[in-house]
Amino acid sequence: EAGVTQFPSHSVIEKGQTVTLRCDPISGHDNLYWYRRVMGKEIKFLLHFVKESKQDESGMPNNRFLAERTGGTYSTLKVQPAELEDSGVYFCASSLSWGRVPEAFFGQGTRLTVV
Amino acid sequence: GNSVTQMEGPVTLSEEAFLTINCTYTATGYPSLFWYVQYPGEGLQLLLKATKADDKGSNKGFEATYRKETTSFHLEKGSVQVSDSAVYFCALSSYGNKLVFGAGTILRVKS
Repeated sequence: EAGVTQFPSHSVIEKGQTVTLRCDPISGHDNLYWYRRVMGKEIKFLLHFVKESKQDESGMPNNRFLAERTGGTYSTLKVQPAELEDSGVYFCASSLSWGRVPEAFFGQGTRLTVV
Repeated sequence: GNSVTQMEGPVTLSEEAFLTINCTYTATGYPSLFWYVQYPGEGLQLLLKATKADDKGSNKGFEATYRKETTSFHLEKGSVQVSDSAVYFCALSSYGNKLVFGAGTILRVKS
């Protein structure tokens, strides 16, 4: 079974440009999460989808970030326009919707560098 | 709000040495606790978890016990191998929801 897949694995863009990250969760996982790790600090929550609906977007840093999950399948995270402080590793995770403590499965991450 | 504090690294050990990585947390209610590991070039993997006080999670020779009285979840292994070299993250989750992570601890094991 395929795991969580993220594209691209690396992206280097100039300040002011737009970048779109993609995440394909494990098939059948209703929960999809985006996280970010900046400069070797803690991994921080960005937002949570349940199917196609945003359940919690309290971690989104500002309105330059837009996340979508079309049809409850894959998700995209767009940064427009990118700023230097957006550099970091963006992780996606998915989990089932049942069970008291469903395990979150993570992708390999997208390393974003804004120059 | 919820938070996790773990010891800073890097931690450098010789093969077969004993490992402890400290983790303490602050949370409302009764969170579940986790250790995730990121091997070089790979994504995060769940290493072990504990869902209630005094539970012990274990996997691949690693152990951690949920200590509510000290709000801790320290990771231990009796004899580390070079293949254990990775970044280790302590995390918590309330109500089976989003994860709150610590800053990560780099472990380097020398042969």
